[in-house]
Amino acid sequence: NAGVTQTPKFQVLKTGQSMTLQCAQDMNHNSMYWYRQDPGMGLRLIYYSASEGTTDKGEVPNGYNVSRLNKREFSLRLESAAPSQTSVYFCASSEDRGQVSVHEQYFGPGTRLTVT
Amino acid sequence: GENVEQHPSTLSVQEGDSAVIKCTYSDSASNYFPWYKQELGKRPQLIIDIRSNVGEKKDQRIAVTLNKTAKHFSLHITETQPEDSAVYFCAASNGFNKFYFGSGTKLNVKP
Repeated sequence: NAGVTQTPKFQVLKTGQSMTLQCAQDMNHNSMYWYRQDPGMGLRLIYYSASEGTTDKGEVPNGYNVSRLNKREFSLRLESAAPSQTSVYFCASSEDRGQVSVHEQYFGPGTRLTVT
Repeated sequence: GENVEQHPSTLSVQEGDSAVIKCTYSDSASNYFPWYKQELGKRPQLIIDIRSNVGEKKDQRIAVTLNKTAKHFSLHITETQPEDSAVYFCAASNGFNKFYFGSGTKLNVKP
């Protein structure tokens, strides 16, 4: 099993450009997440999807959109990139269905994005 | 929403010593508390977790304690080794797909 995979690994964008970060998992997990990691700030949740066909905002959703294409794939789109979106982006998945009982999250390798 | 605070931000210990990292949380409904280890340039990986119905959990050299009344939980690493050097994150969740992370502790184990 590959676990959680992300593409690309690195990306440089100019302000105003758009791009989509791709994420896929092969563990048959219900829930998928997108986080951003900035120095000294830990991980912050951007969006999550508790099941195929549903998405919800996390702590820092502004400037991003997501699509849960099917059970395996969850993409993150930056419509008009800004320097404040320079960060490392991690995708994660878990068995959870949005219920109170929580299961371990598995993270992808990350995408390092620089916006100039 | 939940607020998780983590201390210290950096910790330096001698090989063989113990290391303790502390986190506090604000939402009394939080019921799941994982700890992640992140090596430089790598993804976070779960090292231990604890649920609110348990006060302590151990896994070899790693232990986590939880005080629900005081709303704090701690990671204890005994007999530290150079390969324990990494950034450690605590997190809290009340379920429903919401995880809140601390700001991280950079642990340096000196040989």
